[in-house]
Parts: sequence; C-alpha cells; structure tokens
Amino acid sequence: ETGVTQSPTHLIKTRGQQVTLRCSSQSGHNTVSWYQQALGQGPQFIFQYYREEENGRGNFPPRFSGLQFPNYSSELNVNALELDDSALYLCASSKLAGGWGSNTGELFFGEGSRLTVL
Amino acid sequence: AQSVSQHNHHVILSEAASLELGCNYSYGGTVNLFWYVQYPGQHLQLLLKYFSGDPLVKGIKGFEAEFIKSKFSFNLRKPSVQWSDTAEYFCAVSGGYNNNDMRFGAGTRLTVKP
Repeated sequence: ETGVTQSPTHLIKTRGQQVTLRCSSQSGHNTVSWYQQALGQGPQFIFQYYREEENGRGNFPPRFSGLQFPNYSSELNVNALELDDSALYLCASSKLAGGWGSNTGELFFGEGSRLTVL
Repeated sequence: AQSVSQHNHHVILSEAASLELGCNYSYGGTVNLFWYVQYPGQHLQLLLKYFSGDPLVKGIKGFEAEFIKSKFSFNLRKPSVQWSDTAEYFCAVSGGYNNNDMRFGAGTRLTVKP
C-alpha cells in the first residue's frame, strides 16, 4: 500500500455534468499530481499541485481544474463532462524539494477513481 | 515535443524466457527515468529508477534497466520471467525542460504463459 487514497472508487455521470474526485496524499509528501488513464493507454499528465498552487499542466482544457489544501490533499474537478472523459483518474503524491527544481522523487499512486460518462 | 515511446504493445513469453522491453524518450536536458508496473487490479508501483551514476540500475523482483544516453533509451530487462510477472509495464520520464511532471509511455502488456 502506498498511503495514497482516492475517492470515490467508481462513479457514473452523464454528459454535461460536473464531477469532483478527491485524493489524500502519503504522509510527508507535499506534491500531488493527477493523471488520466484511458483504457489500454498510459497515464496522461493533467496537472500537479505544490504548495496549494498549480505547478505544471499537461494538455488538458480549462474545464479540468484542481485544488490542493493545506494538509496536501487535493481535488480534481471536471466540468461539462464529455464521453471521452471516461477513464481511470489517478492521483500520485511525491516530495518535491524546493518548488521549481527537478522532481527527482518517485510518484506514489493511489488505486484510482474510475469515471464513466454516459 | 516531449514524448516517451514504448515499442511493444503486447509481449507474450513462456516462463523462464528472457525479457527486454524497449523505451525511448524525447526530452531536452537532464532526465530522470522510471519503470512502473501495474499488476492486474492493483495500483501502479515503481520497479526501478535512474537519476544519475551507474547507467545499469537494478530494481525489485530481478528487473534491471540500462540507460543509454546516446540512444535516448531506457530498456527494461529480466533474464528469466515468471508467471507472476504478467502485468502492464510503463516507462516514465521526468525532468528535461519541464521539471514539474512525469510523462508515461503507452505501456507494454506482458503475458507470461506457465
């Protein structure tokens, strides 16, 4: 077990709705990254949060947004859901030394939240 | 653009066969390299990682990988696979010009026949 917990584990939404996914990071970690893993694909980087601010973003539209809280837990919000948003959403925590320096640490992943959009 | 390529989509081996999974990356600057494994129904977990030093790194469960800078490659190897190695394997890279994220390849599904 990694100590990274995600909720909910499964959920079903309809197109146009909004969803919030939650993640508790491993103790001692200060950075949370979110990934989208479509069926049969590798994880795609959505964004990373460090010190409650977005610290890097992949090629995802603004309707994907996030938050990080003082206890380093995080939320991923997706607005105006589309069918293609159906995927496993992975949260990973790590310890980033010094902000904009290189993230040399490994990522510790949760088991994911599987979102189905109908 | 930064990218990670894994050459094999699905590899099928018999037990005791040798394994090599290819990974190439396209990144500028210094990189950190990883191999992650995802066993059926489980979360992604780290097999091994390279930050600096000896380009041949050893990981858990008898896996190793070699970083060849001139070829932008980080291939995963295991001399003799077991049925329990059946899983999805992902190569990942962090660093380069964008230091703030880790990028994954599409993955290689390994099936080991008993």
